[in-house]
Amino acid sequence: AQKVTQAQTEISVVEKEDVTLDCVYETRDTTYYLFWYKQPPSGELVFLIRRNSFDEQNEISGRYSWNFQKSTSSFNFTITASQVVDSAVYFCALNTGTASKLTFGTGTRLQVTL
Amino acid sequence: DTEVTQTPKHLVMGMTNKKSLKCEQHMGHRAMYWYKQKAKKPPELMFVYSYEKLSINESVPSRFSPECPNSSLLNLHLHALQPEDSALYLCASSVRTGSGNTIYFGEGSWLTVV
Repeated sequence: AQKVTQAQTEISVVEKEDVTLDCVYETRDTTYYLFWYKQPPSGELVFLIRRNSFDEQNEISGRYSWNFQKSTSSFNFTITASQVVDSAVYFCALNTGTASKLTFGTGTRLQVTL
Repeated sequence: DTEVTQTPKHLVMGMTNKKSLKCEQHMGHRAMYWYKQKAKKPPELMFVYSYEKLSINESVPSRFSPECPNSSLLNLHLHALQPEDSALYLCASSVRTGSGNTIYFGEGSWLTVV
């Protein structure tokens, strides 16, 4: 069985602060894929990143960076110099094997204020 | 902007009404999905279509009836819904089914059953 845990329910930061969203996953499969999605109040789930289990390279995209560590089963997401537009719910998700079913974490609501 | 478009964005319907949610993608994807999302919860998979054939039904009540007229379109027919069916309904697509394929979501249809 798969499981994704996002222990932080809600985080509030002031603009320009750095913030890290935690994601811990569980799976017995050796091949799996991890995702991060952003959901602003409008409702759309916006795809941010996909990482496969064989690629532990960290990734940076502008102000966003991701730290994948198989040793701790974690795939954490950092936003540098946060902005008000980053306010949203962020979901970490896992998919394994031949399944098409994403296992989502419960989400972390990020509130960035001026 | 999302390449998965959903209509309508908002729908209010009575419990005896029949209505439909529509979804369209022009990315050439052959897998399409319906997800349901209740407030403050992650999305839950309802149906998966692969090459226009229903491949997964997550034990969804028959008052929800999916239809895939062609590879670009996905409908969700609604009949005799209950107030607890009020939720955000998200359509999504991917190149194919399988864990390595990124799932792209639309903006969702906010459904209220009165």
